[in-house]
Amino acid sequence: NAGVMQNPRHLVRRRGQEARLRCSPVKGHSHVYWYRQLPEEGLKFMVYLQKENIIDESGMPKERFSAEFPKEGPSILRIQQVVRGDSAAYFCASSPRITGEEKLFFGSGTQLSVL
Amino acid sequence: AQTVTQSQPEMSVQEAETVTLSCTYDTSESDYYLFWYKQPPSRQMILVIRQEAYKQQNATENRFSVNFQKAAKSFSLKISDSQLGDAAMYFCAYRSALAGGTSYGKLTFGQGTILTVHP
Repeated sequence: NAGVMQNPRHLVRRRGQEARLRCSPVKGHSHVYWYRQLPEEGLKFMVYLQKENIIDESGMPKERFSAEFPKEGPSILRIQQVVRGDSAAYFCASSPRITGEEKLFFGSGTQLSVL
Repeated sequence: AQTVTQSQPEMSVQEAETVTLSCTYDTSESDYYLFWYKQPPSRQMILVIRQEAYKQQNATENRFSVNFQKAAKSFSLKISDSQLGDAAMYFCAYRSALAGGTSYGKLTFGQGTILTVHP
């Protein structure tokens, strides 16, 4: 489980700035999921990516949010022109393949605070 | 769309005692997975136990067991012999088992239950 690395652990941004959150999945995992946890709430699905492809972005806000998972390097969740409502913990999870038996491995999250 | 409800925002238990956390869910699907995750203050999401809907037998992992009532759409977690290290936020989660879908990593979480363990 400790294999999913997210950084930074804490990120502070002022309103209007950009936030870039990075996720390195477990070595060999090609499926990445991003979740958002608002205060006092459970995690909510945002987007599912495979290498170089967005498979399901049904949980992503329509504006200001984007995600990528390039052939080389970590997955990036990018939030442009952040607002106070974007303050949350953002979690990344990975799996080696998509079958019903596969376990998801979660990172420890990035806590984004917007001032 | 599926929903997961945890009606107990907070629970407490004495060390070595037993506690049960409640979870109900709503779905029109017949095949799915249910999970309990533990989130300590470190924020790390730790899988506690998993239940396949097609299995009638309740899952058990050491001191953790579930009471899965498919008809009632209920999935409670029982922690026996509670330990101080069990103190955390606990989340119930649902995942579809649709074959070939993109939903295998798409979990629907409940709101969470904060568990306090008293020495």
